[in-house]
Amino acid sequence: QVQLVQSGPEEKKPGSSVTVTCKASGGAFSTYAISWVRQAPGQGLEWMGMIISSLNVASYAKKFRGRLTITADKSTGTAYMRLSSLKSEDTAMYYCARDVEGYCSGGSCNSGPLDIWGQGTMVTVSS
Amino acid sequence: SYVLTQPPSVSVAPGQTARITCGGHNIGSKSVHWYQQKPGQAPVLVVYDDSARPSGTPERFSGSNSGNTATLTISRVEAGDEADYYCHVWDSSSDHPGVFGGGTKLTV
Repeated sequence: QVQLVQSGPEEKKPGSSVTVTCKASGGAFSTYAISWVRQAPGQGLEWMGMIISSLNVASYAKKFRGRLTITADKSTGTAYMRLSSLKSEDTAMYYCARDVEGYCSGGSCNSGPLDIWGQGTMVTVSS
Repeated sequence: SYVLTQPPSVSVAPGQTARITCGGHNIGSKSVHWYQQKPGQAPVLVVYDDSARPSGTPERFSGSNSGNTATLTISRVEAGDEADYYCHVWDSSSDHPGVFGGGTKLTV
């Protein structure tokens, strides 16, 4: 059974960057996409972006373009989420999740259900 | 961008049926997925593609989707079903294609 294990909590200063890792075990990493979803304290879920591991192609929500970079290393089965120019509003729990139906073709991407989630990584941005 | 609207809260007695709605323009043309999230835990997929259940989801959980409303129905509600529930769709024409509803707190 595939498991996604994320890196530990982070405390960052405004204006800095953070990288969260998501390591997959127990499955063929390159056969599915990974989405990143965040949840501010007491708030709902917010989709940020996704990466098609086999193609190393990423799709981002417009809100995060320019600040968000999602990459993947197929050799280690690890996905990375880097968010730069951090603000206090970026304080949130960040989740990675598996998407077995996600794909991108001809500049357009599609996504399916997120069936396996990491445990979450708390990122706190404070001066 | 596409908007999904859920009621903030639903309350039901044990053994009764809970219905959680998710409203969106022509949502019936999209595939809707539902997640359950308990305090301090990551979300868990409970229904996908409108009405399919992953292995491990009790048959008491069912889904439907038509017109402008998708519904998650939980029959014979148990205390352990108390959680936040989120609907989720993909809108490929949007600049924010991955969309979640605001979430519904189910109180048993």
